[in-house]
Amino acid sequence: GESVGLHLPTLSVQEGDNSIINCAYSNSASDYFIWYKQESGKGPQFIIDIRSNMDKRQGQRVTVLLNKTVKHLSLQIAATQPGDSAVYFCAPGAGSYQLTFGKGTKLSVIP
Amino acid sequence: NAGVTQTPKFQVLKTGQSMTLQCAQDMNHEYMSWYRQDPGMGLRLIHYSVGAGITDQGEVPNGYNVSRSTTEDFPLRLLSAAPSQTSVYFCASSYGGSSNQPQHFGDGTRLSIL
Repeated sequence: GESVGLHLPTLSVQEGDNSIINCAYSNSASDYFIWYKQESGKGPQFIIDIRSNMDKRQGQRVTVLLNKTVKHLSLQIAATQPGDSAVYFCAPGAGSYQLTFGKGTKLSVIP
Repeated sequence: NAGVTQTPKFQVLKTGQSMTLQCAQDMNHEYMSWYRQDPGMGLRLIHYSVGAGITDQGEVPNGYNVSRSTTEDFPLRLLSAAPSQTSVYFCASSYGGSSNQPQHFGDGTRLSIL
């Protein structure tokens, strides 16, 4: 089965700094990767996705990097804001109907 | 646009009671799923459906039943509640298969079993 891990369970950053959240996966067949943000008391919210034929994708203030060689992806948040405080999950997909979610990394932004 | 709507938001049950958690989506998504979220465990898939009339088990299906009579609705039933089912339950939907499309989540039902 899919094994999904996160290198840093908690991350504290100063407002305005950049944040990097890492995720490792074990299934080499994973071909689609999603990052979600979950604020307290809310459901997970889609942030950005990337397919395995890409190694980088950019959104508004967020960038996802994918390294298939070492089965690792990261989410970079530029100019982190207090509203970015949340738990972030990665979810690799491998062609089945079941996504596997990591436990999440809690990002705390220090004003 | 309501997205995915879950009701109720909070519920307290006694052991042995039954109840149904409601989930409705207005995006005409074929795929719907139920997850539970426990501290330190992440999201775990309970049941999912790839279309009306089709359901399948996920990682932790025991103690839960589902049905999918319409595209819009996907209720989750607890037949005989147990304290181990105390959790936050999330319903999600997506266009097409879940593994290659982003899922849209509701805001959850917080369930306590006494």
